[in-house]
Amino acid sequence: GAVVSQHPSWVICKSGTSVKIECRSLDFQATTMFWYRQFPKQSLMLMATSNEGSKATYEQGVEKDKFLINHASLTLSTLTVTSAHPEDSSFYICSARQTTSTDTQYFGPGTRLTVL
Amino acid sequence: GNSVTQMEGPVTLSEEAFLTINCTYTATGYPSLFWYVQYPGEGLQLLLKATKADDKGSNKGFEATYRKETTSFHLEKGSVQVSDSAVYFCALSGFDYGQNFVFGPGTRLSVLP
Repeated sequence: GAVVSQHPSWVICKSGTSVKIECRSLDFQATTMFWYRQFPKQSLMLMATSNEGSKATYEQGVEKDKFLINHASLTLSTLTVTSAHPEDSSFYICSARQTTSTDTQYFGPGTRLTVL
Repeated sequence: GNSVTQMEGPVTLSEEAFLTINCTYTATGYPSLFWYVQYPGEGLQLLLKATKADDKGSNKGFEATYRKETTSFHLEKGSVQVSDSAVYFCALSGFDYGQNFVFGPGTRLSVLP
């Protein structure tokens, strides 16, 4: 089946630094990738939709200058948390939709970010 | 707007008990419906899906039927195992919704031996 990977799986950083998270579709092409944020014991909240070769579409309330998204190829999207602060600590999950699929998304294993 | 409601957890069952996790949705048009499972410390895995009314999705002993008349997609399993302990998310998606997923709040299931 379709596999989506994320790297790193967990990261600890100091406040004020930037962290880049990669999301890759390993065996399929993904025109669209999605970035979600999940707080402990809560559901996933969509942060942004990333389309290959174009600017990401951010959900209301998500700061695009803080959460930079780049989708440079059909198999890779990156999320950069800039000037991270402790309140940015969360579980970040990406998903990818196969170019040929109408509705199925495949989720990555998630990246746990802890900002000290 | 579009939304998904799930029964509140946590749900605690003994092994081999019958499981039902209720899910109802509010949406215009004809969404696809999904159940995802999240094991501790991991991402989401697609458990099953149904793309049109009266479809039944099934996988690993779990099943759910798309009921348009009641706007529901309840998850059931006849005999749960300890390894089924996880958080279960009901979700909807489809062309009418920009292909974004709308997730329910999740229901935590704990199965005791």
